[in-house]
Amino acid sequence: DAMVIQNPRYQVTQFGKPVTLSCSQTLNHNVMYWYQQKSSQAPKLLFHYYDKDFNNEADTPDNFQSRRPNTSFCFLDIRSPGLGDAAMYLCATSRGGTGLTSSYEQYFGPGTRLTVT
Amino acid sequence: GQQVMQIPQYQHVQEGEDFTTYCNSSTTLSNIQWYKQRPGGHPVFLIQLVKSGEVKKQKRLTFQFGEAKKNSSLHITATQTTDVGTYFCAGINTGFQKLVFGTGTRLLVSP
Repeated sequence: DAMVIQNPRYQVTQFGKPVTLSCSQTLNHNVMYWYQQKSSQAPKLLFHYYDKDFNNEADTPDNFQSRRPNTSFCFLDIRSPGLGDAAMYLCATSRGGTGLTSSYEQYFGPGTRLTVT
Repeated sequence: GQQVMQIPQYQHVQEGEDFTTYCNSSTTLSNIQWYKQRPGGHPVFLIQLVKSGEVKKQKRLTFQFGEAKKNSSLHITATQTTDVGTYFCAGINTGFQKLVFGTGTRLLVSP
């Protein structure tokens, strides 16, 4: 089945120690997103890629970076995790496009729960 | 910036009772989507509304998009325990590939 896969599902890192979360998709979607979700809150968009074009949200800290080496994979790098970065990180995809062929429905992966000690 | 608010924040009902969540955007939207997130799970797409005044039904769920395309509602008839979760609306504007999520309504259903 086509899907969005996130690894690992649970990640524990130390304060200040860089960490990378990965996302892969078999949907061949153009757009890939990274969200941060804290308990009892809505997902907060960090950034997204439309193909190779990177789109950063204005309030995303510089501590968060992303890479998309190809259509299928996207990575979230947290350069120096702080205690406030502990959260669920969700990857999502959508077909994107414009006009009649566009689709904005987003498919989410299961998420990676990040703990910072 | 654009804000999307939902009310209520939380609702606890008895199984069989109806439930409604309301979504209000600070700006006019092109489309609105609804997602359901089960406890411990990830958001799952339910539906997209595009036209002003549009009403769509999925079994016991009824979705409505306001005439001004600034508000929406989700109504569940005769709730079941499987309806438990948080319901998010998410607005989108044509040309932008990103959603603005509402604040969410958490639904708890007691048997």
